[in-house]
Amino acid sequence: DAKTTQPPSMDCAEGRAANLPCNHSTISGNEYVYWYRQIHSQGPQYIIHGLKNNETNEMASLIITEDRKSSTLILPHATLRDTAVYYCIVRAYNTDKLIFGTGTRLQVFP
Amino acid sequence: DAGVIQSPRHEVTEMGQEVTLRCKPISGHDYLFWYRQTMMRGLELLIYFNNNVPIDDSGMPEDRFSAKMPNASFSTLKIQPSEPRDSAVYFCASSLSSDGYTFGSGTRLTVV
Repeated sequence: DAKTTQPPSMDCAEGRAANLPCNHSTISGNEYVYWYRQIHSQGPQYIIHGLKNNETNEMASLIITEDRKSSTLILPHATLRDTAVYYCIVRAYNTDKLIFGTGTRLQVFP
Repeated sequence: DAGVIQSPRHEVTEMGQEVTLRCKPISGHDYLFWYRQTMMRGLELLIYFNNNVPIDDSGMPEDRFSAKMPNASFSTLKIQPSEPRDSAVYFCASSLSSDGYTFGSGTRLTVV
């Protein structure tokens, strides 16, 4: 599976959009981009995934660049409860394993 | 749905003792995964099952660790004998085919 690079930490004001970047320059054609988050002491939580088109659900939006070498997870109106570690993971759809990196620690402040 | 259920939530044991962690996946899910999380190593995949069959156990650290899935609704991760370096949070997750995983709340293991 391709390697991902994320900034170790970010801050965001409550109510503002949080834009979390992820670089996956070695991604191949059959690999999806997955995002998970882990709130302190809890198990990781699935957020969203996509292949090449932008995706949106009730939690977030995923923007994937046209060359698929990077993506951005957008939390449109961050709340204090969005403070967590966010993991960007690249995985081939026919691969069962999900390998976590170090993620981005997002701190939402009042 | 109650989600993925792990027990116990916390376990404190003495070095050399046997430890058994338990997991009940979401009904209907065909994949089950065991992860370990520590500050130093982050989230590590230990082993996973598909339709109750172990598929990849390459992440199991050594022979002291073993995992079983006797049926679709139950799995165990056993450490025998336990060592202080096994102290970590152990997560179980399940999924339907290759969709998003659902994780349990974890078992915090402390070996003294």
